[in-house]
Amino acid sequence: SAVISQKPSRDICQRGTSLTIQCQVDSQVTMMFWYRQQPGQSLTLIATANQGSEATYESGFVIDKFPISRPNLTFSTLTVSNMSPEDSSIYLCSVVGGFGTEAFFGQGTRLTVV
Amino acid sequence: KQEVTQIPAALSVPEGENLVLNCSFTDSAIYNLQWFRQDPGKGLTSLLLIQSSQREQTSGRLNASLDKSSGRSTLYIAASQPGDSATYLCAAPDDKIIFGKGTRLHILP
Repeated sequence: SAVISQKPSRDICQRGTSLTIQCQVDSQVTMMFWYRQQPGQSLTLIATANQGSEATYESGFVIDKFPISRPNLTFSTLTVSNMSPEDSSIYLCSVVGGFGTEAFFGQGTRLTVV
Repeated sequence: KQEVTQIPAALSVPEGENLVLNCSFTDSAIYNLQWFRQDPGKGLTSLLLIQSSQREQTSGRLNASLDKSSGRSTLYIAASQPGDSATYLCAAPDDKIIFGKGTRLHILP
């Protein structure tokens, strides 16, 4: 299994500012993912964080708004840039060890933009 | 492209009842099927993982089955308790993790 530490657990931010969310895993993992969960909705995949290369973004998400870093196999960050109230959501990181293995999630970051 | 559907979207049952949550997926070439629980405002907790070669997995009062040929999985909860109230999500981890929209379960005391 993998233990994921995600920080911060929650934050209240002013519109127009940026917030960086950190995800630390206790073991090396191949795939890391970032999700957004808007109020009352299911999880939407933002991007796949690739070690040593650019992240792969899903339709509707762009690097300028959600820059991602993946400097090694145990760590990743997601930045929510130039925030607006519509960015208020829970953001979650997830890891999968490889094809056919179990997925694990961080405890989430609850972001409120005012 | 994998699509995951969960039925019902919401369910309320009296405490003590047995219940079944359904999950269907369009691409049967999955590596595994995973069930999660999410409490309001929280992250996801993994409940059960069924490998593609398996038909079911059990953990306590939970039993999950997998039928790849029909593209279906079910989560059976026995003797439901108020603490089981949460949203239950199924997912098929692959090169990305595709989720259903979840079933919001409410157990009535």
